[in-house]
Amino acid sequence: DTGVSQDPRHKITKRGQNVTFRCDPISEHNRLYWYRQTLGQGPEFLTYFQNEAQLEKSRLLSDRFSAERPKGSFSTLEIQRTEQGDSAMYLCASSSTGADTEAFFGQGTRLTVV
Amino acid sequence: AQSVSQHNHHVILSEAASLELGCNYSYGGTVNLFWYVQYPGQHLQLLLKYFSGDPLVKGIKGFEAEFIKSKFSFNLRKPSVQWSDTAEYFCATGGSYIPTFGRGTSLIVHP
Repeated sequence: DTGVSQDPRHKITKRGQNVTFRCDPISEHNRLYWYRQTLGQGPEFLTYFQNEAQLEKSRLLSDRFSAERPKGSFSTLEIQRTEQGDSAMYLCASSSTGADTEAFFGQGTRLTVV
Repeated sequence: AQSVSQHNHHVILSEAASLELGCNYSYGGTVNLFWYVQYPGQHLQLLLKYFSGDPLVKGIKGFEAEFIKSKFSFNLRKPSVQWSDTAEYFCATGGSYIPTFGRGTSLIVHP
């Protein structure tokens, strides 16, 4: 499968713990996005990379959230000191560089904070 | 920044009925518009996209959308829905290379 893959698919954690999610984009895609989706809402933008550079971060991305894309390939999203409000689906997407391109999404990581 | 709004949050139809889901975008320069679909338990998939040219865009599975600049709209249509079209539908804009999504419309099609 050459699509966007995310790991893990599901994560249950206790409040206060740290969690890390991984995203492997489509190999030739330079752009990588992280989104968060809660029930009944559309995906909300969190952050965007072009190659290894993190070019934009949403105000939704508090200090407890950090994302990296060290070699311009896979990316990780870490949430420190998780809170119940962090429970959501975390989506990763990638796209190629260019004006007429669309984003391809992974299946997401569902986080439950108990 | 560009944004989109979707007016119908829940739609229930019978098979063979016609579908139209509304999407309005805010003006913000270059207009790139998308419709994505999310079937139960699956990832977001692109239905169709508009960047320029013919304002009537054909997508997969018999869907189409019309870009109407004067109305800032990009409504999704299908002449005859099937039970398998039951899904969440999201309109999105990508004018700044960062896709921005609407709240989504939940479509339930009864057989």
